[in-house]
Amino acid sequence: QTVVTQEPSFSVSPGGTVTLTCGLSSGSVSTSYYPSWYQQTPGQAPRTLIYSTNTRSSGVPDRFSGSILGNKAALTITGAQADDESDYYCVLYMGSGDWVFGGGTKLTVL
Amino acid sequence: QVQLVQSGAEVKKPGASVKVSCKASGYTFTSYDINWVRQATGQGLEWMGWMNPNSGNTGYAQKFQGRVTMTRNTSISTAYMELSSLRSEDTAVYYCARDVLDCTNGVCYQAIDYWGQGTLVTVSS
Repeated sequence: QTVVTQEPSFSVSPGGTVTLTCGLSSGSVSTSYYPSWYQQTPGQAPRTLIYSTNTRSSGVPDRFSGSILGNKAALTITGAQADDESDYYCVLYMGSGDWVFGGGTKLTVL
Repeated sequence: QVQLVQSGAEVKKPGASVKVSCKASGYTFTSYDINWVRQATGQGLEWMGWMNPNSGNTGYAQKFQGRVTMTRNTSISTAYMELSSLRSEDTAVYYCARDVLDCTNGVCYQAIDYWGQGTLVTVSS
């Protein structure tokens, strides 16, 4: 059973930089997992931020960026704003059409 | 623009089945797989499975095999997810989401890009 790991919570000051990560319970995340990142606020459907490791979805500000850091996928928010306070989910492609989501990170901006 | 519009909220009794629809517009329905993802209240996203609208082929997460069926009606660009033998733990918002596989100059990527608005399914006696 593959488990995708994320920090349960994180906080950042307004204007600050934060990096959220997405790992595997066993093994390293690479670009072959096509990591994607989603932002979700209460009562709303997820919004696609980043796909295929580092490609921003249409309309997503460039202060959101994706990368591979060490053995994990990473989402970096530079110059955090109040409305970045959300839940963030990563997902990894396991092949054969299968995906596994991480447990999500609750980001607080204060 | 790409849109996925889902059917309305459902209330079901334990042991019953529910069928949620997802109507696609703004793109060629048969060219992209549809995934189904659910989210229990206060919990994370959980991938349930995928369906290829062109072939009808499906793949289900092990947890749901035997209880979930994903189908489509290409004439009306609509995907369906039916979950049977419902129990209280199935109470959740169910989302459909488009899957894109793109290959350019030999470099490919796959992603879940567009999402439906979600359908709340409540299982209660």
